[in-house]
Amino acid sequence: EVQLVESGGGLILPGGSLRLSCAASGFTFSNYWMHWVRQAPGQGLEWVSHVNSDGSKTTYADSVKGRFTISRDNGKKTLYLQMNSLSVADTAVYYCARATWVGGYNPYPFDSWGQGALVTVSS
Amino acid sequence: QSELTQPPSVSGAPGQRVTISCTGSRSNIGADYDVHWYQQFPGTAPKLLISGTTNRPSGVPDRFSGSKSGTSASLAITGLQAEDEAEYFCQSYDSSLSGVVFGGGTKLTVL
Repeated sequence: EVQLVESGGGLILPGGSLRLSCAASGFTFSNYWMHWVRQAPGQGLEWVSHVNSDGSKTTYADSVKGRFTISRDNGKKTLYLQMNSLSVADTAVYYCARATWVGGYNPYPFDSWGQGALVTVSS
Repeated sequence: QSELTQPPSVSGAPGQRVTISCTGSRSNIGADYDVHWYQQFPGTAPKLLISGTTNRPSGVPDRFSGSKSGTSASLAITGLQAEDEAEYFCQSYDSSLSGVVFGGGTKLTVL
């Protein structure tokens, strides 16, 4: 069974830093692109970042570019999101999601999601 | 402001058919990128409902179907059931933004 489990969320002061982790199991992690998607309280989904299967290519939403860094450790089957210079606007539930190539779609759909990690930025 | 526009809410009685639109532009849906749909219940993670505009992953009832025309896509739900009450999001890719984009979400209420 595919499982994605996020950790590392919490309450942080504006300007602070936090690192989220997403532990994967039940599939060959190194074969899949991975994404972070966030959802502010009562709001819709916002794509944050993606990393390709070997970690050599990353992309970011403009709202986090230069502040957030996505990375992965295929040996540990873990995805990371380093978040710096956090602001109130970054308050959200952060989901990691697996992108599947099955079907050959463009973009790849997200066929598995974690349960989410709540990040609250507040003074 | 989402690059993909969805109605904030739709409603229907049990057994009825409802559609949810997802309007984009020439840099996303109109550029022939695929559209995917997700279903989300309160307090839970989204679930993939339709992939590649029209395809249902295993386990998704055939009451759910997707279509696309020009710069818009639609999700149709027939034979509406109480358990369909949820929020629905469309997703595609935008070449101008060079990134994944989501619609703002549509809350479906079953009357």
